[in-house]
Amino acid sequence: DQQVKQNSPSLSVQEGRISILNCDYTNSMFDYFLWYKKYPAEGPTFLISISSIKDKNEDGRFTVFLNKSAKHLSLHIVPSQPGDSAVYFCAAARMEYGNKLVFGAGTILRVKS
Amino acid sequence: NAGVTQTPKFQVLKTGQSMTLQCAQDMNHNSMYWYRQDPGMGLRLIYYSASEGTTDKGEVPNGYNVSRLNKREFSLRLESAAPSQTSVYFCASSISRDLYEKLFFGSGTQLSVL
Repeated sequence: DQQVKQNSPSLSVQEGRISILNCDYTNSMFDYFLWYKKYPAEGPTFLISISSIKDKNEDGRFTVFLNKSAKHLSLHIVPSQPGDSAVYFCAAARMEYGNKLVFGAGTILRVKS
Repeated sequence: NAGVTQTPKFQVLKTGQSMTLQCAQDMNHNSMYWYRQDPGMGLRLIYYSASEGTTDKGEVPNGYNVSRLNKREFSLRLESAAPSQTSVYFCASSISRDLYEKLFFGSGTQLSVL
């Protein structure tokens, strides 16, 4: 049973618009959440993270929102650029287990110019 | 600026064959990890090494063994490959196992077991 779910396998967005990638989790013990980005033929790279004590974290064009009551987080990219086209993985962790991450299946984002 | 280097990039095995996937990092990281990625599933942790001289099982360790050869190198061995082990394998490293330390990944090894 997947503890971290990304229910949208793919998303297509026009350049300049907002991209919203969603992630749901089932384990209420998770207290740290991350997004990784992956280009073809490369390994995933860290993008942004959020602790469960916050509900928002922003880094440039990227913002992650956390709704603990709904066990839901989302990644907003504004404005979207063609170079953002990649696979985005949501991941979760528990403080007591350190950085043993549980990943979602990923969402393919295509930004059209 | 190599980061995390994995070899080979591609490999085809027959059922029952053995092989070792190699991983080396040049960032002086203490912790190293092996993940596998399958279609429709996220990356799943196979084994990890919190520090030189230690290894621990992850979520899907069956059919694999690991060796932390030194601080730089962490290898993954398939003793008797099975078709279910067809996957993309990623090695990663981090400064430590602290929750806030991000993982740095290699570019992956695509393994097919026929």
